[in-house]
Amino acid sequence: GQQVMQIPQYQHVQEGEDFTTYCNSSTTLSNIQWYKQRPGGHPVFLIQLVKSGEVKKQKRLTFQFGEAKKNSSLHITATQTTDVGTYFCAGGSARQLTFGSGTQLTVLP
Amino acid sequence: DAGVIQSPRHEVTEMGQEVTLRCKPISGHDYLFWYRQTMMRGLELLIYFNNNVPIDDSGMPEDRFSAKMPNASFSTLKIQPSEPRDSAVYFCASSLRTSGSYNEQFFGPGTRLTVL
Repeated sequence: GQQVMQIPQYQHVQEGEDFTTYCNSSTTLSNIQWYKQRPGGHPVFLIQLVKSGEVKKQKRLTFQFGEAKKNSSLHITATQTTDVGTYFCAGGSARQLTFGSGTQLTVLP
Repeated sequence: DAGVIQSPRHEVTEMGQEVTLRCKPISGHDYLFWYRQTMMRGLELLIYFNNNVPIDDSGMPEDRFSAKMPNASFSTLKIQPSEPRDSAVYFCASSLRTSGSYNEQFFGPGTRLTVL
């Protein structure tokens, strides 16, 4: 079955530093979604990428979808304490959406 | 819209008891998902429905777990009998699929289950 792996599992950064999480699928994806879960909260949708090589930006967040549609990354520039949480990628295929294990981001003030 | 509604928000029960978790999806959404989240195993898909029909229940851990969706606005996840290892946060999510691709999933606030 489809597997989606995400690294790193944990990341501690100093406020103002950049942060990147990577997502890799064992199969070619039709799309990839990214979610953020704040501590004690529920996953909240951030964005969806569909096209090969697609890059989308949301303020300090940059999302990329690989050319082969098997990997993706989320990059946060100049992290803030409000960025704290767990970031999940979710790979979409014809049959289902498979969530990665998430990257837990801690931002130290 | 109020979003996805789950009840109860917290449940503490004793081993062997039956537990029923409830979910009301967003009106008009045709997909409903049940997830379990633990520190050890992360976010696991248990089962999902399309137009009230169970499509994939391969994530249901064992026969003690069952899920139903009697209508488009209500679903239940039942654990009978419950065990301490079932302690987790259970999320319900709904989405609307268009153009053959999966759209964003809207998650409910979750039910935190503790089995003593």
